[in-house]
Amino acid sequence: DGGITQSPKYLFRKEGQNVTLSCEQNLNHDAMYWYRQDPGQGLRLIYYSQIVNDFQKGDIAEGYSVSREKKESFPLTVTSAQKNPTAFYLCAATGTGNEKLFFGSGTQLSVL
Amino acid sequence: GQQVMQIPQYQHVQEGEDFTTYCNSSTTLSNIQWYKQRPGGHPVFLIQLVKSGEVKKQKRLTFQFGEAKKNSSLHITATQTTDVGTYFCAGPLGGNKLVFGAGTILRVKS
Repeated sequence: DGGITQSPKYLFRKEGQNVTLSCEQNLNHDAMYWYRQDPGQGLRLIYYSQIVNDFQKGDIAEGYSVSREKKESFPLTVTSAQKNPTAFYLCAATGTGNEKLFFGSGTQLSVL
Repeated sequence: GQQVMQIPQYQHVQEGEDFTTYCNSSTTLSNIQWYKQRPGGHPVFLIQLVKSGEVKKQKRLTFQFGEAKKNSSLHITATQTTDVGTYFCAGPLGGNKLVFGAGTILRVKS
């Protein structure tokens, strides 16, 4: 789906290091989401934001942090407190409530 | 907690056979959405069902929403190799929090 840009496509993290995954959207959508996907598993919600300068924890927020300073941007930081960060991270955006999600192409994070 | 359960986890079918995946919620849903993720790709929206008992079709795909709005199914008639991927259902649990099922991985043998 166009309009959601995630970077980088692949990212490697050293032990004890914080890394930030970028997510930018040009769809003018209010709500943005971060999901984590492990091999062969579903999508688990990390954080979501319904409006600028506001965000809520999802089901697996521990070890992660986010910010929503601009409507277009919702970066995710994987902190050193996240002991098992290897996964595929998906960012998504949607309009006002209960509308379809547009996903970015994802970032594969691996630990060195 | 509130959950969206999906079965089966895997399904291998011969090309031309039918395929069905089922989704169940622990609570009544205002709507349910279905997504498809091709291998190596990202989820792509297929459809949203809103009304109790609703049935929608997209070519060989038939989507149903249960009368109690707590379950849903996706049925593919005469599968093709292009149907390969993981199919997810998702429902809003708690405002704008969209919760996904674990997905059903479909493999098609030609």
